[in-house]
Amino acid sequence: QVQLQESGPGLVKPSQTLSLTCTVSGDSISSGGYYWSWIRQPAGKGLEWIGRIFASGRTNYNPSLKSRVTISVDMSKSQFSLKLSSMTAADTATYYCAAIAARPAWGQGTLVTVSS
Amino acid sequence: EIVLTQSPATLSLSPGERATLSCRASQSVDSYLAWYQQKPGQAPRLLIYDSSNRATGIPARFSGSGSGTDFNLTISSLEPEDVAVYYCQQRSNWLTFGGGTKVEIK
Repeated sequence: QVQLQESGPGLVKPSQTLSLTCTVSGDSISSGGYYWSWIRQPAGKGLEWIGRIFASGRTNYNPSLKSRVTISVDMSKSQFSLKLSSMTAADTATYYCAAIAARPAWGQGTLVTVSS
Repeated sequence: EIVLTQSPATLSLSPGERATLSCRASQSVDSYLAWYQQKPGQAPRLLIYDSSNRATGIPARFSGSGSGTDFNLTISSLEPEDVAVYYCQQRSNWLTFGGGTKVEIK
């Protein structure tokens, strides 16, 4: 069973770029069985898909965030990453990485707060 | 974008009662629908995948049904530990989530 773990700063200043990494274990990140996604959830609110990357490197982003998002993959480290630029208070949320397939798997999430 | 609409927003039932949660898609998602349970401070927990398949370790009182645009999650006999918010998610076209149904115990 694939397992995922998010890592990155818990505090980001307004206008800065958030960088998060998701480390994958239990299955190869280069396998075609999953696509690798980022999802976020503001406190007390619902879940929002940010974007995804396939093993081929192809990406898709939520249109509402597309201008600020970059997702990349590092096969050698079995990691994929999220960069979200021009952060504001509205981006404060718990960020999850996930392996999406018929039987998806999620990380435990990491809280990111945007504050000066 | 496929919009998922969950109803009701809140469901308040007594222990032992049957709970039926609904998820309606704005267009067909075939059977590519999953259900999650989320308790405060925790990550979503997968309950059901591809409409009707229970995930590993999920009690048999949880069941899923439906295809196309209309789906249900049923809890056959509500337990106190089932208090949570339940989300549906489709993967037919990108990824979207429903707004959630909060299940409470009377």
